[in-house]
Amino acid sequence: AQSVSQHNHHVILSEAASLELGCNYSYGGTVNLFWYVQYPGQHLQLLLKYFSGDPLVKGIKGFEAEFIKSKFSFNLRKPSVQWSDTAEYFCAVNTGFQKLVFGTGTRLLVSP
Amino acid sequence: SQTIHQWPATLVQPVGSPLSLECTVEGTSNPNLYWYRQAAGRGLQLLFYSVGIGQISSEVPQNLSASRPQDRQFILSSKKLLLSDSGFYLCASHGSSGGETQYFGPGTRLLVL
Repeated sequence: AQSVSQHNHHVILSEAASLELGCNYSYGGTVNLFWYVQYPGQHLQLLLKYFSGDPLVKGIKGFEAEFIKSKFSFNLRKPSVQWSDTAEYFCAVNTGFQKLVFGTGTRLLVSP
Repeated sequence: SQTIHQWPATLVQPVGSPLSLECTVEGTSNPNLYWYRQAAGRGLQLLFYSVGIGQISSEVPQNLSASRPQDRQFILSSKKLLLSDSGFYLCASHGSSGGETQYFGPGTRLLVL
């Protein structure tokens, strides 16, 4: 069965620090990959997605992610985090019929 | 863009009681609809998905059921709740007007005591 692993469950950073959240998946076929974010008190929303083409994808709010097929990874990065990036981040894989398999999530706390 | 409504936002129910959570979608037609659950310390798990009225697929065996009586209405039910049914339930939609993106509702937090 397909699975998604997020290795960092809780991350605490100071403002302006760089961020990298790990995501690995297990699926042998063609994958669509997503990062979703849930800000406190808000809906889960799409941050960025990869379907094909350039493996480095850019999303909203300065986030980017790199798809490395050989490593089955899709890590999320941001060069300089802000207090407003405090949220929970979920990596997900599309396995068909738009059925998403999610990782367990990473709670990011950015201290001002 | 699509808007997804879920209610109630929070629910506390005794063990053995019935459950009905409702989800409605605006801004699209004939969407694929999904119910996810997030239990404490775990990721989002897909419970059910539907590609059309009356068409329900269950992803995991459980104490819950789903129904889709109308194109943009998706209901999650149980006849008798278990303690293990506690969690955060999210409804999601993927429609023809939404590209390849799933849109999520605000969720229902269920606590079974």
